[in-house]
Amino acid sequence: NAGVMQNPRHLVRRRGQEARLRCSPMKGHSHVYWYRQLPEEGLKFMVYLQKENIIDESGMPKERFSAEFPKEGPSILRIQQVVRGDSAAYFCASSPGQIGSGEQYFGPGTRLTVT
Amino acid sequence: AQSVAQPEDQVNVAEGNPLTVKCTYSVSGNPYLFWYVQYPNRGLQFLLKYITGDNLVKGSYGFEAEFNKSQTSFHLKKPSALVSDSALYFCAVRDMGNQGGKLIFGQGTELSVKP
Repeated sequence: NAGVMQNPRHLVRRRGQEARLRCSPMKGHSHVYWYRQLPEEGLKFMVYLQKENIIDESGMPKERFSAEFPKEGPSILRIQQVVRGDSAAYFCASSPGQIGSGEQYFGPGTRLTVT
Repeated sequence: AQSVAQPEDQVNVAEGNPLTVKCTYSVSGNPYLFWYVQYPNRGLQFLLKYITGDNLVKGSYGFEAEFNKSQTSFHLKKPSALVSDSALYFCAVRDMGNQGGKLIFGQGTELSVKP
């Protein structure tokens, strides 16, 4: 039973380019969460999605960032016109459902470096 | 607003000694509390959770945590530390608000176990 998959594991972008981060949840999980870990900081929530729906995007920067979780395929976190401050580790987590006690299962992360 | 705090950035323990990593929380209603561990350049691994029931929760790798409602604490403990326990530990609370599901993390505690 494969865990949460994220790719790429490392991504280098120049300022102004676009970054696309992919997340495939665990089998049977329909809820995906994205978190960002800045250097020397804890994880901060960005967005919570179910298939084809954004449920909570309260942690997403207002500009340049978007996320989707289509009916088929992985969830995508897209960062347009990257800046150096976007350099961070981006983690995806999945769970089988929203409600209650279930823990979230985390992927290995994508480490984005903006040069 | 719900929050967790980890008052220690770093905890140093000798191998074989007991360890405690502290966490306090602030929530409205009943808390859903979690501990995760992060090894270098890896994702987060779930250790244990408190939802309801016994105040002493047992988890993976010999870890346990004690829920104390009066002190609003959820400290992580292990009777005998191993060098391999050295890692970054995060306490988290699940946000059960209207858009429920996201985890709110503490800033993390670096555990160093010396031989």
